[in-house]
Amino acid sequence: DVKVTQSSRYLVKRTGEKVFLECVQDMDHENMFWYRQDPGLGLRLIYFSYDVKMKEKGDIPEGYSVSREKKERFSLILESASTNQTSMYLCASLFRDNGEAFFGQGTRLTVV
Amino acid sequence: AQSVTQLGSHVSVSEGALVLLRCNYSSSVPPYLFWYVQYPNQGLQLLLKYTSAATLVKGINGFEAEFKKSETSFHLTKPSAHMSDAAEYFCAAYTGTASKLTFGTGTRLQVTL
Repeated sequence: DVKVTQSSRYLVKRTGEKVFLECVQDMDHENMFWYRQDPGLGLRLIYFSYDVKMKEKGDIPEGYSVSREKKERFSLILESASTNQTSMYLCASLFRDNGEAFFGQGTRLTVV
Repeated sequence: AQSVTQLGSHVSVSEGALVLLRCNYSSSVPPYLFWYVQYPNQGLQLLLKYTSAATLVKGINGFEAEFKKSETSFHLTKPSAHMSDAAEYFCAAYTGTASKLTFGTGTRLQVTL
């Protein structure tokens, strides 16, 4: 079974903390994505990466950064967490030849 | 730039009735198109995909979708709804290699007795 694993299902962090969300895939995919999901807004792309050390801004990159040092791992960083970053975060990796994406279970982050 | 529009954030059907969830896309190049389903407290899973072969695509759980280039649409249908189909459905587009995977805002399907 193909797998995308997110390090935590639930996280509670304080305002101003630096937060790391980790995502690991075992399918040797080049492309990986971070989305946040909010009611009524669907999935909004934060950042994506199409190769090691490569990153591209998505639609809502403000307040976030990413790291892709190894092909299988794509990390999302909240430099200074704020309450408006309370959300569900979804990681995906994508098979470039046909665009099929595989998702992790999501991390529900609450910033208090 | 590509975009995906899903008409109707909520759709309610009776069990046994036809399900129709609408998706339109805009893209400067022909995209790959997908429908994903999300059950409560779970990640997304692939229902079906269009990758420029047959325009009528069959997926899991009896769902199918038809790619219509002239209408830039990729609507999802199922002839007879089941209670277990209640979930949120997302349409997505991808144009290849280093491109974004872009999602619509989702449609929540409710199935009533």
